Amino acid sequence: ETAVFQTPNYHVTQVGNEVSFNCKQTLGHDTMYWYKQDSKKLLKIMFSYNNKQLIVNETVPRRFSPQSSDKAHLNLRIKSVEPEDSAVYLCASSQGGTLYFGAGTRLSVL
Amino acid sequence: QQKVQQSPESLIVPEGAMTSLNCTFSDSASQYFAWYRQHSGKAPKALMSIFSNGEKEEGRFTIHLNKASLHFSLHIRDSQPSDSALYLCAVSNRIFFGDGTQLVVKP
Repeated sequence: ETAVFQTPNYHVTQVGNEVSFNCKQTLGHDTMYWYKQDSKKLLKIMFSYNNKQLIVNETVPRRFSPQSSDKAHLNLRIKSVEPEDSAVYLCASSQGGTLYFGAGTRLSVL
Repeated sequence: QQKVQQSPESLIVPEGAMTSLNCTFSDSASQYFAWYRQHSGKAPKALMSIFSNGEKEEGRFTIHLNKASLHFSLHIRDSQPSDSALYLCAVSNRIFFGDGTQLVVKP
């Protein structure tokens, strides 16, 4: 049963464009995350939000910014995409440790 | 920053075999240790977690943690083709993941 919803599933864009990805969780968790999974399947944490406060920012490029309206939503904006941004972006939520992932948004930058 | 390393990178085992996956971490203050499984084209899904030293068994899966040696492992008894997937270990406090072990179980 899906409880972390991501949109869109896929997005193709060109270098320099701005993109936004949405994430919503219905689990009532306090913490949400964005992870990037590259073509080698390496999974790297980008951001996490706890009750609308940013608590992790793992030295990602400044063109990435998380946006949250409430604890159930955490969006990701990329201001000016680069070719190396092509990846799957996974949203997750947690309470007490275990992460629950969404299905991911696959970004292709041409 | 927490360093999490997995071994082996990939593994091929016959159906019915015992599979052992390893994970080492660098921060001895870590409190949450978990294994996630990711089937091809799907999101990672939590398999098992442990908080204190020792073993925990759930069905065919056993997780073993030794904080003193900064090591934990996953053992799969009677491996099945459906177990074929990418296995990721995760360590708190910021939930860092290892680079993964690609497991193939051959019928």
